[in-house]
Amino acid sequence: AQTVTQSQPEMSVQEAETVTLSCTYDTSESDYYLFWYKQPPSRQMILVIRQEAYKQQNATENRFSVNFQKAAKSFSLKISDSQLGDAAMYFCAYEWGSQGNLIFGKGTKLSVKP
Amino acid sequence: NAGVTQTPKFQVLKTGQSMTLQCAQDMNHEYMSWYRQDPGMGLRLIHYSVGAGITDQGEVPNGYNVSRSTTEDFPLRLLSAAPSQTSVYFCASSYYRVGLYEQYFGPGTRLTVT
Repeated sequence: AQTVTQSQPEMSVQEAETVTLSCTYDTSESDYYLFWYKQPPSRQMILVIRQEAYKQQNATENRFSVNFQKAAKSFSLKISDSQLGDAAMYFCAYEWGSQGNLIFGKGTKLSVKP
Repeated sequence: NAGVTQTPKFQVLKTGQSMTLQCAQDMNHEYMSWYRQDPGMGLRLIHYSVGAGITDQGEVPNGYNVSRSTTEDFPLRLLSAAPSQTSVYFCASSYYRVGLYEQYFGPGTRLTVT
């Protein structure tokens, strides 16, 4: 069975600095998708970035980028130039099956200090 | 488009009561799903549907019922509420695009069972 592990329950970063959130996963599939979701206090789930496993190039969305290491089954999220609005829970997720179901990690709570 | 809507936003139930959490989407998405989020946990899949008249179980289906009579609606029924069902419930809908499912999440329903 697929699993997603986020080993950092909480992280803190100074405004304008860079922070990296870790995620590892386990799967026997060769083609799949990985995601990072942001959940602010409003509870809304917001897609931050996605990565296709068959693409070697790491995905980038503005200040957000990933370091995808397929052999190591690692999928970390780097947030550059951190802003106060980045403070939230961040969830790593793996898409499984043919229906797009997601398996989530337990999340990392990110605090941003002014 | 309103996107994915959920009602109610908050609900308090007594043990043994039944209720239905409503979910609707106006994007004509074939795929819909229900997740629950417990403190310190990521979202876990309860039930999902790949189209009207078709439903299937996810990771934590016990105590919940679903049906899908229309493309737009996917209600989640709690047959006899238990304190263990205290959680935040998210409905999601998605469509298949270029090899993956684009997920859209509703705002969530916070349910407390006393």
